[in-house]
Amino acid sequence: DQQVKQNSPSLSVQEGRISILNCDYTNSMFDYFLWYKKYPAEGPTFLISISSIKDKNEDGRFTVFLNKSAKHLSLHIVPSQPGDSAVYFCAAVSAGSSASKIIFGSGTRLSIRP
Amino acid sequence: DVKVTQSSRYLVKRTGEKVFLECVQDMDHENMFWYRQDPGLGLRLIYFSYDVKMKEKGDIPEGYSVSREKKERFSLILESASTNQTSMYLCASRARALMNTEAFFGQGTRLTVV
Repeated sequence: DQQVKQNSPSLSVQEGRISILNCDYTNSMFDYFLWYKKYPAEGPTFLISISSIKDKNEDGRFTVFLNKSAKHLSLHIVPSQPGDSAVYFCAAVSAGSSASKIIFGSGTRLSIRP
Repeated sequence: DVKVTQSSRYLVKRTGEKVFLECVQDMDHENMFWYRQDPGLGLRLIYFSYDVKMKEKGDIPEGYSVSREKKERFSLILESASTNQTSMYLCASRARALMNTEAFFGQGTRLTVV
């Protein structure tokens, strides 16, 4: 049973517009969420995170929103650039113990078209 | 500059071989992880370790084992490689789980079992 779900396998957005990537989770014990970006044949790189005590975190063109009641988070990229074309993974952690796993979603492939 | 290094970028092995994938981190992190990435399935956790000689199964541990004799090194072992273990393998490390920190990934090992 997937605890972290990314229901859109792909997304195409025009350059300069907003990209919105969505993620849902089922485990209310998660208290820290992360977004990663991955290019082919490379390891994922960290983009932005949010603690469950917040509902928004912003870093440059990237903003993550968290809706705890809906168990939903989203990543907004504004404006979208060609270099943003990659696979984006949502991840969640429950930090209550020293043996916490990081659970990833299945990813969304973002394509930025000119 | 933080670094997680995986010993090989590409490997080709025969069915039935014992395969070792090595991962080294230089950040003195307590937690280390092994994931595999397959199309449409995202990053699935195989095993993780929260301390030297400590390990826990992830979501798909069957056919794999791990070893962590030193803090900086975490090895994934395929006891008898099979074609369904052809995949991209990703190692990650993270500071102790009670802190809200991100995981850092290696560059990945593309393993092909023939």
